[in-house]
Amino acid sequence: GQNIDQPTEMTATEGAIVQINCTYQTSGFNGLFWYQQHAGEAPTFLSYNVLDGLEEKGRFSSFLSRSKGYSYLLLKELQMKDSASYLCAVRDRRSGYALNFGKGTSLLVTP
Amino acid sequence: GAVVSQHPSRVICKSGTSVKIECRSLDFQATTMFWYRQFPKKSLMLMATSNEGSKATYEQGVEKDKFLINHASLTLSTLTVTSAHPEDSSFYICSATGPETGTAIGQPQHFGDGTRLSIL
Repeated sequence: GQNIDQPTEMTATEGAIVQINCTYQTSGFNGLFWYQQHAGEAPTFLSYNVLDGLEEKGRFSSFLSRSKGYSYLLLKELQMKDSASYLCAVRDRRSGYALNFGKGTSLLVTP
Repeated sequence: GAVVSQHPSRVICKSGTSVKIECRSLDFQATTMFWYRQFPKKSLMLMATSNEGSKATYEQGVEKDKFLINHASLTLSTLTVTSAHPEDSSFYICSATGPETGTAIGQPQHFGDGTRLSIL
């Protein structure tokens, strides 16, 4: 099984930077994914890490340390529309490459 | 590219009805499809993994006779909720992956838009 932990809720100010952490435990690690999900909608892909280090995509960056079982999603220049749930998901080659999701972090961006 | 279409987007029906949800890959061959379920303010829970042409693999605690999954072609998988009851009301989401989407090199799964099922 996998234990994927991330904070339940976070609040940040428009224009600021926020870091959402995720820790995991798995034996068949095959990548860590971050998804954004607005209420009532399907998740949308944000970023992916399979090797250690930082991946940057515009305002979003994601970091991975496999030895520590740790990842974070960094959101810069926060906008009101970034208020959403952010899901950390680990892919496990032992389970047919299915994604196992954390419980999600609900981010509220305030003016 | 890599578009997944899910239908219907919303279903409201009476208790005891069976409901079929379709998941189609529109521009790639989906050798594997995944079905997830999500309760309000909860995360996505994997229900089953479906490989084309073979029986689905269900996660622990998911009743295979209750949630029938068929993946008869490389572009279509269906989930049928049999004799649905109010406790089956949930958001069901499929995702698909295949050789073209580069599973081996870590491309993301592509999600459908989800089906909101409400059983009265």
